[in-house]
Amino acid sequence: EPEVTQTPSHQVTQMGQEVILRCVPISNHLYFYWYRQILGQKVEFLVSFYNNEISEKSEIFDDQFSVERPDGSNFTLKIRSTKLEDSAMYFCASSLTGGPTEKLFFGSGTQLSVL
Amino acid sequence: AQSVTQPDIHITVSEGASLELRCNYSYGATPYLFWYVQSPGQGLQLLLKYFSGDTLVQGIKGFEAEFKRSQSSFNLRKPSVHWSDAAEYFCAVGAGGGYQKVTFGTGTKLQVIP
Repeated sequence: EPEVTQTPSHQVTQMGQEVILRCVPISNHLYFYWYRQILGQKVEFLVSFYNNEISEKSEIFDDQFSVERPDGSNFTLKIRSTKLEDSAMYFCASSLTGGPTEKLFFGSGTQLSVL
Repeated sequence: AQSVTQPDIHITVSEGASLELRCNYSYGATPYLFWYVQSPGQGLQLLLKYFSGDTLVQGIKGFEAEFKRSQSSFNLRKPSVHWSDAAEYFCAVGAGGGYQKVTFGTGTKLQVIP
């Protein structure tokens, strides 16, 4: 089965620093997503992205966050100035279409630790 | 807005025993329901989904789930658990519309003992 790949698997950063989390979605997929999971809590939707623009975002996705598809294969999540509460596992996902029954393919996640 | 409740945070079963993981949802219209599994160090993998038709859906790895509208439930079942089923299981509900914003439950961690 095709895979979504995420790098790095674990990122440690100092509070206030910028981080970029990288994802390579499945090649023919058109819709891309970021979710996060704070330790012990539920997986939360952050943002969806289609046709080079954000299609939907949650309340969590404030001005400190941005997403980009810089080169047609990578899909990145940038946190401009990290806070302690940004520590979480961040999952990238992609799907062929954006329909509500469409299967999401998830990557194995990037564990972000903000110190 | 939709929401999902998984009342069991942690469940332990013996290998070979049957399994049922509970999930209750809240959504005004007909929901799109999913079960995902997360093995240690892995991403989320879709086990099965329901959006219409037969209320008993079959998934991968021998799992099935039954949609019960009257109880707002979508419980996951497996008749005989294998040690490799030890993982965290997430129920999720998707809203209708053009983009898939899925709301996950808090997860149930399954431990399988010999």
